[in-house]
Amino acid sequence: GAGVSQTPSNKVTEKGKYVELRCDPISGHTALYWYRQSLGQGPEFLIYFQGTGAADDSGLPNDRFFAVRPEGSVSTLKIQRTERGDSAVYLCASSPGRNEQFFGPGTRLTVL
Amino acid sequence: AQSVTQLDSQVPVFEEAPVELRCNYSSSVSVYLFWYVQYPNQGLQLLLKYLSGSTLVKGINGFEAEFNKSQTSFHLRKPSVHISDTAEYFCAVSGQGAQKLVFGQGTRLTINP
Repeated sequence: GAGVSQTPSNKVTEKGKYVELRCDPISGHTALYWYRQSLGQGPEFLIYFQGTGAADDSGLPNDRFFAVRPEGSVSTLKIQRTERGDSAVYLCASSPGRNEQFFGPGTRLTVL
Repeated sequence: AQSVTQLDSQVPVFEEAPVELRCNYSSSVSVYLFWYVQYPNQGLQLLLKYLSGSTLVKGINGFEAEFNKSQTSFHLRKPSVHISDTAEYFCAVSGQGAQKLVFGQGTRLTINP
């Protein structure tokens, strides 16, 4: 079956611009996660959704970052006023709730 | 809170040699432990996980790991590596009541012919 998909695969933007990153989870998975992976580092947790609600947003670095999952399926990570330090690969994962997370290929964000 | 330390940032080995990738964790609560592999330009794939029960866990592609609670370790092993095992390997932990994964920095495994 289809895995987790993320669009776009690459996004180049200018400092100060707004970006949206999309995640399509595996059908039927109730849990959805966003992580950020900087060069040479392991992924860092950003936010976790159970259904439509954000169950844990403790990893969001500041109020420029926001994520939604309005219908409990697709999620969008939104970054306002992008900074060069936001450049990273943004990973999405979904889970059926059996302690296993299935990761998408990621979106590589470059802020110039 | 949990943390993970992967003791080696890079591990070069020859093809068909055994390999061990080391992982230590820190947590004040009981944990679940995971190893993920990331092949070049691909997403993370689960190799194996420890939730409970037997401390020796077998995963895909001939990998196994042993949970050692007293040493707070979860080292990954393979008795004979192949060129196709070249990848970045990440150890991760989550609290049993939590959902998010905390990852180590990763270990780059390079297989030389």
